[in-house]
Amino acid sequence: NAGVTQTPKFRILKIGQSMTLQCTQDMNHNYMYWYRQDPGMGLKLIYYSVGAGITDKGEVPNGYNVSRSTTEDFPLRLELAAPSQTSVYFCASRLGTNYGYTFGSGTRLTVV
Amino acid sequence: EDKVVQSPLSLVVHEGDTVTLNCSYEVTNFRSLLWYKQEKKAPTFLFMLTSSGIEKKSGRLSSILDKKELFSILNITATQTGDSAIYLCAASYYGGSQGNLIFGKGTKLSVKP
Repeated sequence: NAGVTQTPKFRILKIGQSMTLQCTQDMNHNYMYWYRQDPGMGLKLIYYSVGAGITDKGEVPNGYNVSRSTTEDFPLRLELAAPSQTSVYFCASRLGTNYGYTFGSGTRLTVV
Repeated sequence: EDKVVQSPLSLVVHEGDTVTLNCSYEVTNFRSLLWYKQEKKAPTFLFMLTSSGIEKKSGRLSSILDKKELFSILNITATQTGDSAIYLCAASYYGGSQGNLIFGKGTKLSVKP
């Protein structure tokens, strides 16, 4: 099992550009999450999904969009990138609410 | 506002020392407390605590939850340089976003040889 796989690992964007951060898991987990981690600030939830076709906003959703067409994939879309979106992005999944989260290895995004 | 507070924010010890990391929480409809270790990349799961007073142990690491006083501790005995990492504490809650976590800012542990 590969676990949770995120691509790309690094990316530099110019202000106003768009991109999609990919996340896929092969553990048949229903719950998937996107977090961003800023230095010294812990992790903040951007969006989450409790199953294919169901998504909802987290704490900091502005500037992002998600979709969940399959159980495996949960891409995060950035439209009109801004410097405030410079961060490390983590995708995570869990089997159910009584289980710990499995995190991907992260995507370091810089917007210049 | 719900919050999770970790202390200290950073800690430097020498190999062989024992350390205690603290996590306090104020979370409505609290469900469980989770500890993660974050080295260079993704956080890796350590413990999930749901009941007060029951210690969870894994090798040199152990953790316990006090739901009356709203805190948890993570103990590491006989520390090694490989224990150097950021340790994250997170609280989950019922309702809302189906098991969302509120993270603390983390404790950065550095273990010197």
